[in-house]
Amino acid sequence: GDSVTQTEGLVTLTEGLPVMLNCTYQSTYSPFLFWYVQHLNEAPKLLLKSFTDNKRPEHQGFHATLHKSSSSFHLQKSSAQLSDSALYYCALSSVYAQGLTFGLGTRVSVFP
Amino acid sequence: GGIITQTPKFLIGQEGQKLTLKCQQNFNHDTMYWYRQDSGKGLRLIYYSITENDLQKGDLSEGYDASREKKSSFSLTVTSAQKNEMAVFLCASSIDGNYAEQFFGPGTRLTVL
Repeated sequence: GDSVTQTEGLVTLTEGLPVMLNCTYQSTYSPFLFWYVQHLNEAPKLLLKSFTDNKRPEHQGFHATLHKSSSSFHLQKSSAQLSDSALYYCALSSVYAQGLTFGLGTRVSVFP
Repeated sequence: GGIITQTPKFLIGQEGQKLTLKCQQNFNHDTMYWYRQDSGKGLRLIYYSITENDLQKGDLSEGYDASREKKSSFSLTVTSAQKNEMAVFLCASSIDGNYAEQFFGPGTRLTVL
């Protein structure tokens, strides 16, 4: 079956520094990969979605590149902001499974 | 745009009690989902429905029932609440079942005494 691995449970960093959240996956079929962000007491919202044509999706300064050779979809931002403090989920959707398969999530705390 | 509403926002139950959570969406989406969110465990799929009156089990369906009487609503029932259980139940919808963005509701926080 499908699986998503996020290796960091908690990432703490200082405002202005770069951030990278790891995401690797296993899937029998070519999946779509997503990053969802959930701020405190809010619903998860889509942050990024992989493209089929190898374009790099970007949103709110975040970007991620799907590397099929390494089965990865790492999330990056060059300069973290205080408002980036949230829970980030990597998720996978494949053709034969309904719903999304989520990783365990990475909590990001950005300090001044 | 649209919105997903979940009721109640907080639900406190007793061990063994049957509890029902409700979800409404006005996106006119075909597919709806129920996920359970536990701290450190991510989101796990309980049930989903691809159209009115359709029900499909997810990986975590044991101990739950679901109902989709209308396109816009999807209910989840905890058949027998477990003592000391605490979790957030998230409802979501998407235009179709594969590859489409899912939109989430704010969640129902369940506490079982």
